[in-house]
Amino acid sequence: DAKTTQPPSMDCAEGRAANLPCNHSTISGNEYVYWYRQIHSQGPQYIIHGLKNNETNEMASLIITEDRKSSTLILPHATLRDTAVYYCIVRVMDSNYQLIWGAGTKLIIKP
Amino acid sequence: ETGVTQSPTHLIKTRGQQVTLRCSSQSGHNTVSWYQQALGQGPQFIFQYYREEENGRGNFPPRFSGLQFPNYSSELNVNALELDDSALYLCASSLASTMNTEAFFGQGTRLTVV
Repeated sequence: DAKTTQPPSMDCAEGRAANLPCNHSTISGNEYVYWYRQIHSQGPQYIIHGLKNNETNEMASLIITEDRKSSTLILPHATLRDTAVYYCIVRVMDSNYQLIWGAGTKLIIKP
Repeated sequence: ETGVTQSPTHLIKTRGQQVTLRCSSQSGHNTVSWYQQALGQGPQFIFQYYREEENGRGNFPPRFSGLQFPNYSSELNVNALELDDSALYLCASSLASTMNTEAFFGQGTRLTVV
């Protein structure tokens, strides 16, 4: 079972910041939060990951709450090409180190 | 471009047949994972290979098997195909089987079982 909960869909205006929330209330202390996106049945694209500190890269920022029970992915200036399904994933700490995926959030960027 | 390539891109098989899907991992990556993604759902973990050994498996039957070669490329084999095996099969490579690394995915193989 997925360890994360995300809204099924969101809209955002082009040029605005897109803020995608994720709940992971059962996350363990040393499990990482990963974000991927998938554009129309292509392979998932890595965006960012973090443990407890906020992270930023050229694609996005990841804000993790102090209790680590939720996080927000921020796309600072959304473009039409950011329309995709965004997955918030907890990387399970076992020998598999597998990624457990939920249903994701369908983000639609509108002109 | 992730450097992870999968072949073929599309495949149609008949129920009961066997299929082999292939994945070339990103240069330098020694870990390969396979995922199955049914339409409208998130990917489901099948198994992972690290340095040619299977070191983790999801909830898939034994007719799903795999191999990893010395150059870290990998194969996914599925025997006795069922209609429900129709899905997008994704391969992901990463540098090592540890927590703090990102996995890069190929474009997938779309398998249709008829």
